[in-house]
Amino acid sequence: KNQVEQSPQSLIILEGKNCTLQCNYTVSPFSNLRWYKQDTGRGPVSLTIMTFSENTKSNGRYTATLDADTKQSSLHITASQLSDSASYICVVSIKAAGNKLTFGGGTRVLVKP
Amino acid sequence: NAGVTQTPKFQVLKTGQSMTLQCAQDMNHNSMYWYRQDPGMGLRLIYYSASEGTTDKGEVPNGYNVSRLNKREFSLRLESAAPSQTSVYFCASSEYGTRVSTDTQYFGPGTRLTVL
Repeated sequence: KNQVEQSPQSLIILEGKNCTLQCNYTVSPFSNLRWYKQDTGRGPVSLTIMTFSENTKSNGRYTATLDADTKQSSLHITASQLSDSASYICVVSIKAAGNKLTFGGGTRVLVKP
Repeated sequence: NAGVTQTPKFQVLKTGQSMTLQCAQDMNHNSMYWYRQDPGMGLRLIYYSASEGTTDKGEVPNGYNVSRLNKREFSLRLESAAPSQTSVYFCASSEYGTRVSTDTQYFGPGTRLTVL
């Protein structure tokens, strides 16, 4: 069964600190992996997309890594800001079946001053 | 550009009532999607439209119908609402859909639906 599991489910960090979110997937055949940010009450917004051959990609203070061999990804947030408080969703695209997206349940991040 | 817009933002229905969720995009995208998001679960695809004039079932299509009215608009209809359809519904659009594997989906703000 194609699954995307994220950990932790939630975390609290102090403003200015770094944090790392994890994503493990069993999706096959793999096409690409995306990270989305979803603010409370809003729709998800794309942060990064990585294909099989890419093992790291950055978007400002967000850096995503991908290990396609172990089927793991991480999202690192550097020097967190209050505006980083949101849910972060890992999404894996399946190569067959029209690039169907499989969504993880998300990690809810709360940044405190 | 407004991006992807959805109406209404909130809705409360009684079991058995019907309603239509509206979605429009102004990015000239070819593909549009409807998802539902339930607490603790990932978004699940209900229906999608790869291009104007085509629609296909997603992962959880039962109890829903869709209409791709034109290139801009994609509506989702609940014919006889059930409490299990209480959820947050998101519409999304993308430029190329299934033709490009890294195509980015852009999401609307969501419709929060409660069925009593």
